Amino acid sequence: GAVVSQHPSRVICKSGTSVKIECRSLDFQATTMFWYRQFPKQSLMLMATSNEGSKATYEQGVEKDKFLINHASLTLSTLTVTSAHPEDSSFYICSARPGHNQPQHFGDGTRLSIL
Amino acid sequence: AQRVTQPEKLLSVFKGAPVELKCNYSYSGSPELFWYVQYSRQRLQLLLRHISRESIKGFTADLNKGETSFHLKKPFAQEEDSAMYYCALDGSGNTGKLIFGQGTTLQVKP
Repeated sequence: GAVVSQHPSRVICKSGTSVKIECRSLDFQATTMFWYRQFPKQSLMLMATSNEGSKATYEQGVEKDKFLINHASLTLSTLTVTSAHPEDSSFYICSARPGHNQPQHFGDGTRLSIL
Repeated sequence: AQRVTQPEKLLSVFKGAPVELKCNYSYSGSPELFWYVQYSRQRLQLLLRHISRESIKGFTADLNKGETSFHLKKPFAQEEDSAMYYCALDGSGNTGKLIFGQGTTLQVKP
């Protein structure tokens, strides 16, 4: 079946550093990938849609300069949290789907902790 | 505004009892609705979607447009059904942008 791999699974770093999270579709191509954020005991909130070869589209309230998204190939999207601060600590999850009418497949998520 | 509501944070039942996890949505058009499940220490995975009208692991869900609901049901719960269940809506012309409910933890006791 379709598999989405996310790396790293956990990151702990100091305030002010930038952190890159990778999302790969292992056995299918994805022109579109999605990035979600999940706070403790809360639901997943869509942050942005990553589009291969073009700019990402961000949901309302999500700072595009804070959360840089690059989708350089059909199997890889990256989310970079720039100049991270403690309030950016969260669980970040990506997803992708093999085709327009196909269901989404999710990565394992990345737990980001900013000290 | 598009919204998905799962009113129960926790649902606890005994093995063999019927289960109904509630999901209500707010959307003016024709939505596509999903149930996702997350077992302990595993990734989120699709359980079922309303357009396929399948029964997966004994679970079914019927879209009721009049009541704007998509409740998940299973007649006899099993211990291995214990997990977090999320109802989700794609109301943006099947763009894949999902709106999730808060999630319901199902606990099936022996």
